[in-house]
Amino acid sequence: NAGVTQTPKFRILKIGQSMTLQCTQDMNHNYMYWYRQDPGMGLKLIYYSVGAGITDKGEVPNGYNVSRSTTEDFPLRLELAAPSQTSVYFCASSAGATNEKLFFGSGTQLSVL
Amino acid sequence: QKEVEQDPGPLSVPEGAIVSLNCTYSNSAFQYFMWYRQYSRKGPELLMYTYSSGNKEDGRFTAQVDKSSKYISLFIRDSQPSDSATYLCAMSFDRGSTLGRLYFGRGTQLTVWP
Repeated sequence: NAGVTQTPKFRILKIGQSMTLQCTQDMNHNYMYWYRQDPGMGLKLIYYSVGAGITDKGEVPNGYNVSRSTTEDFPLRLELAAPSQTSVYFCASSAGATNEKLFFGSGTQLSVL
Repeated sequence: QKEVEQDPGPLSVPEGAIVSLNCTYSNSAFQYFMWYRQYSRKGPELLMYTYSSGNKEDGRFTAQVDKSSKYISLFIRDSQPSDSATYLCAMSFDRGSTLGRLYFGRGTQLTVWP
């Protein structure tokens, strides 16, 4: 049972490039989330999804896009990368509408230079 | 003013010490309080969860919530080197309607030395 798997683990982008951060979970969770963690700061919610085909914005959605075509996968797309998007990105999932237990992936460390 | 304040430390203690980690918050509407533990280069994992005011104990860990003071604490008894990690407090307004919108503190980096 792998839980939440994120790829890649590290990536360096040039300003203006685009990329997709992959996230997949094998726990059959309906709820999935993307957070970013800046150095010395708390996690901030970017986007979330309550099921396949349904997504919504979190606290800091600008510059990102998501899709949810299957229960397992929740990719995060960065268009026109900017230095302000340098961060560690975490994908998480939860079993139901209650939010007390999120299962996190190991993160993707992204640098935009 | 940030919604959730947490001293980032770092905090360094000898093995066997009692550790106290704290967070304060500004919005009295928060009702659900959590502590996550994050090892280096890993995602956070849920350690403790409490609802409203009161104490909750789980082995060497005790979570305490004082809503009147807007203050939450995590105590670690008989600390071990394996407890070395960053501890994040998190809270939410409602169990379900915010759908995972947790408000996190900055995290406190703890090192327990042998």
